[in-house]
Amino acid sequence: SQKIEQNSEALNIQEGKTATLTCNYTNYSPAYLQWYRQDPGRGPVFLLLIRENEKEKRKERLKVTFDTTLKQSLFHITASQPADSATYLCALITGYGGSQGNLIFGKGTKLSVKP
Amino acid sequence: IAGITQAPTSQILAAGRRMTLRCTQDMRHNAMYWYRQDLGLGLRLIHYSNTAGTTGKGEVPDGYSVSRANTDDFPLTLASAVPSQTSVYFCASRAQGSSYNSPLHFGNGTRLTVT
Repeated sequence: SQKIEQNSEALNIQEGKTATLTCNYTNYSPAYLQWYRQDPGRGPVFLLLIRENEKEKRKERLKVTFDTTLKQSLFHITASQPADSATYLCALITGYGGSQGNLIFGKGTKLSVKP
Repeated sequence: IAGITQAPTSQILAAGRRMTLRCTQDMRHNAMYWYRQDLGLGLRLIHYSNTAGTTGKGEVPDGYSVSRANTDDFPLTLASAVPSQTSVYFCASRAQGSSYNSPLHFGNGTRLTVT
């Protein structure tokens, strides 16, 4: 079955630096991969989706890459701010059709940006 | 404000008791989901419903049941709670079409403690 791994449970960086979070998956490459942000006591909030034929996707200070050869997605936050501190989750679908259109999630990486 | 409403926000429940977690969405999304989130394990899918009148089992369905009588509501029932069901429960929905790439919208969770 498809599995997702987010390599770091926690990442601490200094304000202004670029944060890079990693998401690896096993088995087949999904057609697309999603990233979410979760703040304490809240549900995850969707940030970005990247398709398998998109090497890179950007939204303001966020950048996501998708390497189907390495079976990896990288999530970058440039010019990081303390307000970016949160847990970031990657997610992908388990397959296609019926029950296999459901999203599975990585365990998340908790990012702390220090002023 | 459009979104997902979960109730209660938190609950302490004695083992062996029955409990229904409520979830309502006003976005007219056809697909709805229940996840549980545990420290070190991340988000795991309990049950899902691709459309009103249908439900399916996710990764960890044992001890839980769901129903989907209409588009808006997707209650989760614990028939006889056990301490291992202590967790934070998130309801989510999405406008699932044929492409499976739409993002999930989450509620803010129900924190359940079974004693």
